Amino acid sequence: GAGVSQSPSNKVTEKGKDVELRCDPISGHTALYWYRQSLGQGLEFLIYFQGNSAPDKSGLPSDRFSAERTGGSVSTLTIQRTQQEDSAVYLCASSSIQDRARGTIYFGEGSWLTVV
Amino acid sequence: AQSVTQPDIHITVSEGASLELRCNYSYGATPYLFWYVQSPGQGLQLLLKYFSGDTLVQGIKGFEAEFKRSQSSFNLRKPSVHWSDAAEYFCAVGALSGNTPLVFGKGTRLSVIA
Repeated sequence: GAGVSQSPSNKVTEKGKDVELRCDPISGHTALYWYRQSLGQGLEFLIYFQGNSAPDKSGLPSDRFSAERTGGSVSTLTIQRTQQEDSAVYLCASSSIQDRARGTIYFGEGSWLTVV
Repeated sequence: AQSVTQPDIHITVSEGASLELRCNYSYGATPYLFWYVQSPGQGLQLLLKYFSGDTLVQGIKGFEAEFKRSQSSFNLRKPSVHWSDAAEYFCAVGALSGNTPLVFGKGTRLSVIA
Protein backbone atom coordinates (compact mmCIF):
# COMPACT_ATOMS: atom_id res chain seq x y z
CA GLY A 1 0.00 0.00 0.00
CA ALA A 2 0.90 3.65 -0.09
CA GLY A 3 0.91 4.26 3.66
CA VAL A 4 3.33 3.59 6.50
CA SER A 5 3.42 -0.14 7.12
CA GLN A 6 4.30 -1.69 10.47
CA SER A 7 4.82 -5.29 11.45
CA PRO A 8 3.90 -7.24 13.38
CA SER A 9 0.57 -5.66 14.19
CA ASN A 10 0.43 -7.64 17.41
CA LYS A 11 3.21 -9.31 19.38
CA VAL A 12 3.03 -11.17 22.64
CA THR A 13 6.38 -11.98 24.18
CA GLU A 14 7.71 -13.34 27.42
CA LYS A 15 9.48 -11.07 29.84
CA GLY A 16 13.19 -11.08 29.17
CA LYS A 17 12.95 -11.88 25.48
CA ASP A 18 14.10 -9.52 22.73
CA VAL A 19 11.65 -8.17 20.17
CA GLU A 20 12.02 -6.42 16.84
CA LEU A 21 9.41 -4.13 15.37
CA ARG A 22 9.57 -3.13 11.74
CA CYS A 23 8.51 0.02 9.95
CA ASP A 24 8.26 0.56 6.20
CA PRO A 25 7.85 4.29 5.61
CA ILE A 26 6.16 5.85 2.64
CA SER A 27 8.46 5.65 -0.34
CA GLY A 28 10.65 8.72 -0.66
CA HIS A 29 10.08 9.97 2.86
CA THR A 30 13.36 11.01 4.42
CA ALA A 31 12.09 11.48 7.96
CA LEU A 32 11.05 8.57 10.17
CA TYR A 33 9.81 8.68 13.74
CA TRP A 34 9.10 6.13 16.42
CA TYR A 35 6.61 6.89 19.18
CA ARG A 36 5.29 4.76 22.01
CA GLN A 37 1.69 4.95 23.13
CA SER A 38 1.00 3.55 26.56
CA LEU A 39 -2.38 3.49 28.23
CA GLY A 40 -3.05 6.91 29.69
CA GLN A 41 0.35 8.23 28.66
CA GLY A 42 -0.29 9.62 25.21
CA LEU A 43 2.38 9.49 22.57
CA GLU A 44 5.93 9.38 23.83
CA PHE A 45 8.66 10.29 21.37
CA LEU A 46 11.37 7.64 21.09
CA ILE A 47 13.66 8.31 18.15
CA TYR A 48 13.80 10.34 14.94
CA PHE A 49 15.74 9.69 11.72
CA GLN A 50 16.22 12.42 9.13
CA GLY A 51 18.06 11.49 5.96
CA ASN A 52 21.71 10.77 6.60
CA SER A 53 21.89 12.83 9.77
CA ALA A 54 22.63 11.24 13.10
CA PRO A 55 19.34 10.12 14.64
CA ASP A 56 17.82 11.95 17.57
CA LYS A 57 17.74 9.26 20.25
CA SER A 58 16.81 11.55 23.09
CA GLY A 59 13.48 9.83 23.71
CA LEU A 60 14.71 6.28 24.14
CA PRO A 61 13.77 5.30 27.71
CA SER A 62 16.71 2.99 28.39
CA ASP A 63 19.67 1.32 26.74
CA ARG A 64 17.47 -1.72 26.14
CA PHE A 65 15.90 0.24 23.30
CA SER A 66 17.64 0.81 19.99
CA ALA A 67 16.66 1.52 16.41
CA GLU A 68 18.23 1.31 13.01
CA ARG A 69 17.29 2.63 9.64
CA THR A 70 18.90 0.77 6.80
CA GLY A 71 19.42 2.39 3.43
CA GLY A 72 17.36 5.38 4.46
CA SER A 73 14.17 3.38 4.26
CA VAL A 74 13.07 0.52 6.50
CA SER A 75 13.55 0.93 10.24
CA THR A 76 13.72 -1.65 13.00
CA LEU A 77 13.06 -0.85 16.64
CA THR A 78 14.65 -3.41 18.95
CA ILE A 79 13.78 -3.90 22.59
CA GLN A 80 16.12 -6.16 24.50
CA ARG A 81 15.24 -8.06 27.66
CA THR A 82 11.64 -6.89 27.52
CA GLN A 83 9.87 -5.85 30.70
CA GLN A 84 6.17 -5.69 31.40
CA GLU A 85 6.28 -1.90 31.39
CA ASP A 86 7.35 -2.08 27.73
CA SER A 87 3.82 -3.20 26.84
CA ALA A 88 2.44 -0.49 24.58
CA VAL A 89 1.58 0.38 21.02
CA TYR A 90 4.67 1.38 19.07
CA LEU A 91 3.85 3.84 16.33
CA CYS A 92 5.99 4.68 13.36
CA ALA A 93 5.53 7.78 11.24
CA SER A 94 7.24 9.23 8.21
CA SER A 95 7.29 12.46 6.26
CA SER A 96 8.96 14.13 3.33
CA ILE A 97 10.72 17.46 3.70
CA GLN A 98 7.77 19.14 2.05
CA ASP A 99 5.30 17.41 4.32
CA ARG A 100 7.38 18.28 7.34
CA ALA A 101 7.31 21.92 6.31
CA ARG A 102 3.53 21.67 6.23
CA GLY A 103 3.52 19.96 9.59
CA THR A 104 2.20 16.72 8.23
CA ILE A 105 3.56 13.37 9.28
CA TYR A 106 1.94 10.09 8.37
CA PHE A 107 1.44 7.42 10.99
CA GLY A 108 1.25 3.69 10.63
CA GLU A 109 -1.33 1.70 12.52
CA GLY A 110 1.15 0.60 15.13
CA SER A 111 2.57 -2.58 16.60
CA TRP A 112 0.82 -3.67 19.78
CA LEU A 113 3.38 -5.24 22.12
CA THR A 114 2.32 -7.23 25.15
CA VAL A 115 4.96 -8.52 27.53
CA VAL A 116 3.76 -11.33 29.78
CA ALA B 1 11.57 22.14 26.78
CA GLN B 2 8.34 21.97 24.90
CA SER B 3 5.35 20.25 26.42
CA VAL B 4 1.66 19.82 25.81
CA THR B 5 -1.05 19.49 28.41
CA GLN B 6 -4.49 18.13 27.71
CA PRO B 7 -6.29 18.58 31.02
CA ASP B 8 -9.24 16.35 30.21
CA ILE B 9 -8.56 12.63 30.06
CA HIS B 10 -12.10 11.68 29.08
CA ILE B 11 -15.07 13.71 27.91
CA THR B 12 -18.60 12.52 27.20
CA VAL B 13 -20.98 14.58 25.11
CA SER B 14 -24.40 13.98 23.64
CA GLU B 15 -24.74 13.64 19.91
CA GLY B 16 -25.53 17.04 18.44
CA ALA B 17 -24.01 18.94 21.33
CA SER B 18 -21.05 21.23 20.97
CA LEU B 19 -17.54 20.14 21.89
CA GLU B 20 -14.39 21.83 23.13
CA LEU B 21 -11.20 19.93 23.87
CA ARG B 22 -8.55 21.85 25.73
CA CYS B 23 -4.87 22.04 24.90
CA ASN B 24 -2.17 24.11 26.56
CA TYR B 25 1.41 24.17 25.37
CA SER B 26 4.82 25.30 26.45
CA TYR B 27 7.29 26.14 23.72
CA GLY B 28 10.32 28.38 23.57
CA ALA B 29 9.75 29.72 20.09
CA THR B 30 6.83 30.37 17.81
CA PRO B 31 4.78 27.23 18.15
CA TYR B 32 3.42 25.16 15.37
CA LEU B 33 0.35 23.38 16.69
CA PHE B 34 -1.56 20.34 15.57
CA TRP B 35 -4.57 18.24 16.45
CA TYR B 36 -4.62 14.56 15.56
CA VAL B 37 -7.43 12.05 15.92
CA GLN B 38 -7.06 8.34 16.51
CA SER B 39 -10.16 6.27 15.90
CA PRO B 40 -10.39 2.78 17.43
CA GLY B 41 -8.06 0.39 15.63
CA GLN B 42 -6.78 3.06 13.29
CA GLY B 43 -3.70 5.20 12.99
CA LEU B 44 -3.41 8.88 13.74
CA GLN B 45 -4.97 11.31 11.32
CA LEU B 46 -4.20 15.02 11.14
CA LEU B 47 -7.29 17.12 11.83
CA LEU B 48 -5.82 20.58 11.52
CA LYS B 49 -2.71 22.66 12.12
CA TYR B 50 -1.68 26.19 12.92
CA PHE B 51 1.47 27.80 11.59
CA SER B 52 0.79 31.53 11.44
CA GLY B 53 -1.78 34.06 10.35
CA ASP B 54 -5.44 33.68 11.20
CA THR B 55 -5.66 32.29 14.70
CA LEU B 56 -8.84 30.37 13.93
CA VAL B 57 -8.06 27.39 11.74
CA GLN B 58 -10.48 25.05 10.06
CA GLY B 59 -9.86 21.37 9.73
CA ILE B 60 -11.46 18.26 8.39
CA LYS B 61 -14.72 16.75 9.66
CA GLY B 62 -16.07 20.13 10.74
CA PHE B 63 -13.45 20.76 13.43
CA GLU B 64 -11.82 24.09 14.14
CA ALA B 65 -9.24 25.30 16.63
CA GLU B 66 -8.25 28.68 17.94
CA PHE B 67 -4.71 29.70 18.81
CA LYS B 68 -4.51 32.06 21.77
CA ARG B 69 -0.95 33.13 22.41
CA SER B 70 -1.79 34.97 25.62
CA GLN B 71 -3.23 31.80 27.09
CA SER B 72 -0.80 29.38 25.43
CA SER B 73 -3.81 27.45 24.26
CA PHE B 74 -5.00 25.74 21.11
CA ASN B 75 -8.45 24.39 21.91
CA LEU B 76 -10.33 22.19 19.48
CA ARG B 77 -14.01 22.80 18.86
CA LYS B 78 -16.91 21.38 16.93
CA PRO B 79 -20.40 22.92 16.98
CA SER B 80 -22.32 19.65 16.65
CA VAL B 81 -20.80 16.30 17.50
CA HIS B 82 -21.62 13.14 15.58
CA TRP B 83 -21.41 9.62 17.00
CA SER B 84 -18.56 8.90 14.57
CA ASP B 85 -16.45 11.55 16.32
CA ALA B 86 -15.89 9.19 19.25
CA ALA B 87 -12.12 8.73 19.31
CA GLU B 88 -8.92 9.77 21.04
CA TYR B 89 -7.72 13.29 20.28
CA PHE B 90 -4.13 14.42 20.58
CA CYS B 91 -2.74 17.93 20.58
CA ALA B 92 0.87 18.35 19.46
CA VAL B 93 3.47 21.10 19.24
CA GLY B 94 6.67 21.29 17.27
CA ALA B 95 8.89 23.04 14.81
CA LEU B 96 8.72 22.47 11.11
CA SER B 97 12.37 21.92 10.42
CA GLY B 98 15.49 20.60 11.94
CA ASN B 99 15.53 17.65 14.22
CA THR B 100 12.72 18.60 16.54
CA PRO B 101 10.09 15.91 16.77
CA LEU B 102 6.46 16.63 17.42
CA VAL B 103 5.61 16.53 21.11
CA PHE B 104 2.18 15.15 21.89
CA GLY B 105 -0.16 15.56 24.79
CA LYS B 106 -1.54 12.54 26.60
CA GLY B 107 -4.78 12.68 24.69
CA THR B 108 -8.44 13.18 25.43
CA ARG B 109 -10.85 10.34 24.88
CA LEU B 110 -14.19 11.48 23.52
CA SER B 111 -17.31 9.41 24.05
CA VAL B 112 -20.54 10.31 22.29
CA ILE B 113 -23.90 9.26 23.70
CA ALA B 114 -27.29 9.32 22.07
